Amino acid sequence: KQEVTQIPAALSVPEGENLVLNCSFTDSAIYNLQWFRQDPGKGLTSLLLIQSSQREQTSGRLNASLDKSSGRSTLYIAASQPGDSATYLCAVPATGTASKLTFGTGTRLQVTL
Amino acid sequence: DGGITQSPKYLFRKEGQNVTLSCEQNLNHDAMYWYRQDPGQGLRLIYYSQIVNDFQKGDIAEGYSVSREKKESFPLTVTSAQKNPTAFYLCASSGGGAALSGQPQHFGDGTRLSIL
Repeated sequence: KQEVTQIPAALSVPEGENLVLNCSFTDSAIYNLQWFRQDPGKGLTSLLLIQSSQREQTSGRLNASLDKSSGRSTLYIAASQPGDSATYLCAVPATGTASKLTFGTGTRLQVTL
Repeated sequence: DGGITQSPKYLFRKEGQNVTLSCEQNLNHDAMYWYRQDPGQGLRLIYYSQIVNDFQKGDIAEGYSVSREKKESFPLTVTSAQKNPTAFYLCASSGGGAALSGQPQHFGDGTRLSIL
């Protein structure tokens, strides 16, 4: 059964810092991995989706990498801003499926002035 | 603008009552999903549907029911059999039909359900 772990559970950094969020998964036979952002009381916003054949994806100040063999992904946020404060979740398809996602519990990020 | 609309934003349930959460999408997506989110836990899949008139149970389907009569709509009913319904409920959709791999999921803004 696929399990997803995110470390750390919470992170506070000063504005301008570069930071890395970690995601690990137990079953490396995945189709893709998706990173989401969730603001308090809101739904999830898709940030990046990495296909299993890719090693990384970039969108603006965000860069996500995927290492299937080691069961790990990282989300790199460059030059963090207070507006980046949110919970970041990663998700991979459950074992044997392409559609049913298994989510981590998220990393709660606070960027301070 | 295309997107997913969930209503109501807040919902209260009395003892023994069934309540229905609405989810509508205008993204022309084939697949739709219902998740439950509890504090300190990841999202858990309740039900999902890959095409109209077809749906499958997720990991925590007991006490819930769904229908998929139209492509745009995937309502979730929380029945009285669900003894701990207080949670944040999220609806999502994705394109790709039966293939489904490589398609990101898009989410609505959620419905917060509480017990009176």
